[in-house]
Amino acid sequence: EAGVAQSPRYKIIEKRQSVAFWCNPISGHATLYWYQQILGQGPKLLIQFQNNGVVDDSQLPKDRFSAERLKGVDSTLKIQPAKLEDSAVYLCASSFIPGTGGPGELFFGEGSRLTVL
Amino acid sequence: AQTVTQSQPEMSVQEAETVTLSCTYDTSENNYYLFWYKQPPSRQMILVIRQEAYKQQNATENRFSVNFQKAAKSFSLKISDSQLGDTAMYFCADRTNTPLVFGKGTRLSVIA
Repeated sequence: EAGVAQSPRYKIIEKRQSVAFWCNPISGHATLYWYQQILGQGPKLLIQFQNNGVVDDSQLPKDRFSAERLKGVDSTLKIQPAKLEDSAVYLCASSFIPGTGGPGELFFGEGSRLTVL
Repeated sequence: AQTVTQSQPEMSVQEAETVTLSCTYDTSENNYYLFWYKQPPSRQMILVIRQEAYKQQNATENRFSVNFQKAAKSFSLKISDSQLGDTAMYFCADRTNTPLVFGKGTRLSVIA
């Protein structure tokens, strides 16, 4: 079974530039998550989708971050304009059991490492 | 809001020895799920073990076991017979009525 795919693996940009990350979840997984992991910290949820609807985006900095999951499959996370503090690994995860709660395991991709200079 | 605290930023253990990683959490709910995830260097995060709060019996997965103390809101991970491949960041996570909330992690080094 193919895992969660993410691209690009690495990206270096100047501040104020834009960047986009792509994620393709495991086939059949209704729920998709984007986490931000700053060096030395645990992952922090940015946004959760169930199918193509947003369940939770309370911690997404909406003035610069946007995300979409058209057709309820793959997803794109965009940052525009980027700031120095956006340097982090962006993790995409998916789970089979939809919605919140429940013991559904999250399957993570390898992450996209962003460096903002 | 849920919080997860891992008080040990770094730990080391000799190969074949046993090590315990600590985790405390704070949730007001009675039903929730706790997880330990492993993140090897430059590799993806994978689930090590999970515990349902309504189960009193501690979860076990081969060399990995937990000590779940619900009243104390404590959820420690014990790794027995440590192997070099266990070297990684370990994250404790809580899932109540929200997606996973992670602690800051413990960096474990297994020394030959």
